Amino acid sequence: IQLTQSPSSLSASVGDRVTITCRASQGITIYLAWYQQKPGKAPKLLIYTTSTLQSGVPSRFSGSGFGTDFTLTISSLQPEDFATYYCQQLKSYPRTFGQGTKVEIK
Amino acid sequence: QVQLVESGGGLVKPGGSLRLSCAASGFPFTDYYMTWIRQAPGKGLEWVSNINSRSSYTNYADSVKGRFTISRDNAKNLLYLQLNSLRAEDTAIYYCARELNDYRCGPDCPSDYWGQGTLVTVSS
Repeated sequence: IQLTQSPSSLSASVGDRVTITCRASQGITIYLAWYQQKPGKAPKLLIYTTSTLQSGVPSRFSGSGFGTDFTLTISSLQPEDFATYYCQQLKSYPRTFGQGTKVEIK
Repeated sequence: QVQLVESGGGLVKPGGSLRLSCAASGFPFTDYYMTWIRQAPGKGLEWVSNINSRSSYTNYADSVKGRFTISRDNAKNLLYLQLNSLRAEDTAIYYCARELNDYRCGPDCPSDYWGQGTLVTVSS
């Protein structure tokens, strides 16, 4: 299953609402997760089963979607949110990732 | 606290072999599926392999099937990845990760804890 994220990169300001999309090449019901990765660090799990917020993740992060189209939304971008975001499908093996979306400071 | 510490990376020639290890602590290792994920320099994430808690099921990416072998020693809280017939395109940071244990995703959960990674470089 191929995952296509868009955009590949974006520039935004602190306080902006940011939306990243992830499209699957075939239906994956709700088995989609989102990760955040900062330079030189391991990825951090943000959301799983499309919309379940991982423990300790701020509520400004949210996820939605079903089947083939999914979104990650950051309601009010904070300085610590500038990073690269990846989606991952867990519906079938191999468990593929999207190519990543880099969120940069405008 | 949960800790995952990888070791065993290094420089190896094409066609060579390495064994990566991941020492787990701070959680009941035998209750969790474990996963290896890699990231080539400056590139995105690539899922490599996973293993269930009792080692009865393993899964592999097509790119490593037949060359890599995942295993675990529950008595020692260790996860392994044997890398054989290495190619230049296997050059990457290899992360060991624990799969989340949550009824909402059952056996198909993402990784909630990751190690710091170990670098494998395949070059002549």
